[in-house]
Amino acid sequence: AQSVAQPEDQVNVAEGNPLTVKCTYSVSGNPYLFWYVQYPNRGLQFLLKYITGDNLVKGSYGFEAEFNKSQTSFHLKKPSALVSDSALYFCAVRDNAGNNRKLIWGLGTSLAVNP
Amino acid sequence: NAGVTQTPKFQVLKTGQSMTLQCAQDMNHEYMSWYRQDPGMGLRLIHYSVGAGITDQGEVPNGYNVSRSTTEDFPLRLLSAAPSQTSVYFCASSYSDRNEQFFGPGTRLTVL
Repeated sequence: AQSVAQPEDQVNVAEGNPLTVKCTYSVSGNPYLFWYVQYPNRGLQFLLKYITGDNLVKGSYGFEAEFNKSQTSFHLKKPSALVSDSALYFCAVRDNAGNNRKLIWGLGTSLAVNP
Repeated sequence: NAGVTQTPKFQVLKTGQSMTLQCAQDMNHEYMSWYRQDPGMGLRLIHYSVGAGITDQGEVPNGYNVSRSTTEDFPLRLLSAAPSQTSVYFCASSYSDRNEQFFGPGTRLTVL
């Protein structure tokens, strides 16, 4: 069965510092991996995805993520954090094995960027 | 394009009442899904559809029904509301299950 974990409930970082939000997954086939962001009282917005190809994926708002198959991880990164990056971040995975069509979500990581 | 729209934005029900949460998209997306979001629980998939006439259960389908008679619409029905269904409900759509999902603004439901 597929699963995804975000091991940190909250991440705190100073503005201008690099940030990392962690995600690990478990699938039986190959993964489709996604990152989304949710600002307070809003719906979710897509940041980036990995389907196949280059392990380093670049997305919206200066975010990027690195797919690491051996460590089954897909950590979200940004070189220089902004206060406006403060939000809730979700990692999601779909296992492409068989007829599975379900997207499974992590519990979310709250990112706080301090001025 | 309006994107993904959901109605109502807020709803209060009494235990045992039924209601339908509406979801529509104007992007000709085949894949649509319903989630509920609860504090500390992340997003949990209730039901999803890969095209008109085709629906399937997600992680937490009990107490909810869906249908997909058109590509555009994907209503979620609560058959007999329970306090455990108090949550924020999001509808989402995408071209396929490989593509990014577009989310509606959500419906905040309270069951008393």
